[in-house]
Amino acid sequence: ETGVTQSPTHLIKTRGQQVTLRCSSQSGHNTVSWYQQALGQGPQFIFQYYREEENGRGNFPPRFSGLQFPNYSSELNVNALELDDSALYLCASSLGQMGVDTQYFGPGTRLTVL
Amino acid sequence: AQRVTQPEKLLSVFKGAPVELKCNYSYSGSPELFWYVQYSRQRLQLLLRHISRESIKGFTADLNKGETSFHLKKPFAQEEDSAMYYCALSRLTGGGNKLTFGTGTQLKVEL
Repeated sequence: ETGVTQSPTHLIKTRGQQVTLRCSSQSGHNTVSWYQQALGQGPQFIFQYYREEENGRGNFPPRFSGLQFPNYSSELNVNALELDDSALYLCASSLGQMGVDTQYFGPGTRLTVL
Repeated sequence: AQRVTQPEKLLSVFKGAPVELKCNYSYSGSPELFWYVQYSRQRLQLLLRHISRESIKGFTADLNKGETSFHLKKPFAQEEDSAMYYCALSRLTGGGNKLTFGTGTQLKVEL
């Protein structure tokens, strides 16, 4: 069984640029959630995708957007990057989107915005 | 709004001493509570969750709805328990299982 994978592991961008982060969910999982973890903070929920539809969104502006593909892999896109977007971005997958469905996390993508 | 509070950023204990990592929450519905752990250079992983009522690596946590707490306990700390611990909450019923995390507690077990 393959766990959650994310790419790239590290990324450096400049303010105003756009970035795409990728996530492959664990085998058999149809739900993907994205989290932002700033230095010294716990992860914060960005949004969730369930069977290719957005299924909940946290307090993030519209320049944070996502996609889920038929194979349940997912992308997180961030436009007009700001310095405060520098963080670790975590992807988590689960068997479903119910409370009983445990989320399994990937290793994260470290984004630095200069 | 749902909120998770972990009052200690750092907890330092000696090997063999009891450990208690505090977690308080606020949530208007029926919550499911979790403890996630991150060992050095490893990904965030589930340690235990309330609904499973399991004891993992000697850790237990009891949900106290009156005090809205879900403290993590272990009677005898081991060196390998040194890690970052996050308490998290999600809804138990209905759709959507987004997690709300606390800010984490760094546990350091000293010899």
